Amino acid sequence: DIQMTQSPSSLSASVGDRVTITCRASQNINNYLNWYQQKAGKAPKSLIFAVSNLQSGVPSRFSGSGSGTDFTLTINNLQPEDFATYFCQQSYGSPRTFGRGTTVEIK
Amino acid sequence: QVQLQESGPGLVKPSGTLSLTCAVSGGSISDNNWWSWVRQPPGKGLEWIGEIFHSGSTTYTPSLKSRVTMSVDKSNNDFSLRMTSMTAADTAVYYCARKMTYAFDIWGQGTMVTVSS
Repeated sequence: DIQMTQSPSSLSASVGDRVTITCRASQNINNYLNWYQQKAGKAPKSLIFAVSNLQSGVPSRFSGSGSGTDFTLTINNLQPEDFATYFCQQSYGSPRTFGRGTTVEIK
Repeated sequence: QVQLQESGPGLVKPSGTLSLTCAVSGGSISDNNWWSWVRQPPGKGLEWIGEIFHSGSTTYTPSLKSRVTMSVDKSNNDFSLRMTSMTAADTAVYYCARKMTYAFDIWGQGTMVTVSS
């Protein structure tokens, strides 16, 4: 299985901050890397697919980058509605695997 | 737009069988994408269970493969998950999701399944 390692597991930030979350795959996954946002009690929401492509309706303050095994989710100008847990996920190989998540908390 | 809705029992007895259905609305189960099941134990991360194409082709995660069966019902425009030999470790929120080329782009709201006698 392809292991997805996310860091940090949690972080505290203030409204207006820039936040960076990293995700490392245990092998090359080309560009099959996706990001999801999950709020408490809700289903995950797809934010970014194929490393850097924003899903329709996702604000442009979200961005993704990376290649091969190392990827980054960046949130610029953090907004109150962005406090949530974020998961990376690879769809290069089967089984599809997720990172353990990064919880973004209010400082 | 496409919406997904899970249905099924919220309580399953140990050693019992879980059966869940995901109804697809606003689109066709025969569209060119895979249909998936993902679960999330309370307070934990996401685990992909498997996926099915409208043709009936399936892929399951190895750790659950011996216990899982997925199927598609084109007449009802839905797909289903069946998991046998349930234990407390299978207690989780179960989500159905549509998988496009890369990502799970649409998710159901999820259904909580508790395994308890």
